[in-house]
Amino acid sequence: EPEVTQTPSHQVTQMGQEVILRCVPISNHLYFYWYRQILGQKVEFLVSFYNNEISEKSEIFDDQFSVERPDGSNFSLKIRSTKLEDSAMYFCASSEASFAGQGSKGYTFGSGTRLTVV
Amino acid sequence: AQTVTQSQPEMSVQEAETVTLSCTYDTSESNYYLFWYKQPPSRQMILVIRQEAYKQQNATENRFSVNFQKAAKSFSLKISDSQLGDTAMYFCAFMMDNYGQNFVFGPGTRLSVLP
Repeated sequence: EPEVTQTPSHQVTQMGQEVILRCVPISNHLYFYWYRQILGQKVEFLVSFYNNEISEKSEIFDDQFSVERPDGSNFSLKIRSTKLEDSAMYFCASSEASFAGQGSKGYTFGSGTRLTVV
Repeated sequence: AQTVTQSQPEMSVQEAETVTLSCTYDTSESNYYLFWYKQPPSRQMILVIRQEAYKQQNATENRFSVNFQKAAKSFSLKISDSQLGDTAMYFCAFMMDNYGQNFVFGPGTRLSVLP
């Protein structure tokens, strides 16, 4: 079964450093997403991406965050200057279609990257 | 804005027994989708079951079934014949039926299946 692959599985970074979280979506998927889960809390939507641009973003996704798909296969989330409160599990997801009825059936999450900011 | 509430932070059930996890949501939309996701200790998000709001029939997937009450905005998950592998966090989630399709998750219920 196709998978969304995230690397690394765990990353520790110093406060103020830039960090890049990488994701390889399922190959025929066109829509890409990032979610965040602070330890012990619910999963929260960050951003969705389609046709090389952001289609929707939440209030959490401020100027410190950016996304890009540099080579047509990888989809990355960059945090420019990490803060302690950025420590969380970050999930990448991808889907084939845009509409919930169709896309949600193929909506696949990766295993997540645990980011620890010290 | 849509919100999802799960009023049971933790639950436990004996192996082979049946357990029901509660979920309520708030929306002014008429067309939407509801989901239950399972998150085992590995932290992977695994789809358990999916319900279209326009369908009156409750969704079922093997041992998992839902009780969808649209007027009450309630979407509970029933797990029959509970197994040790069902031990996980369970998240109820909402998705609007429109172009943007991000999930709105509830806070989760931690389910422990006891031997």
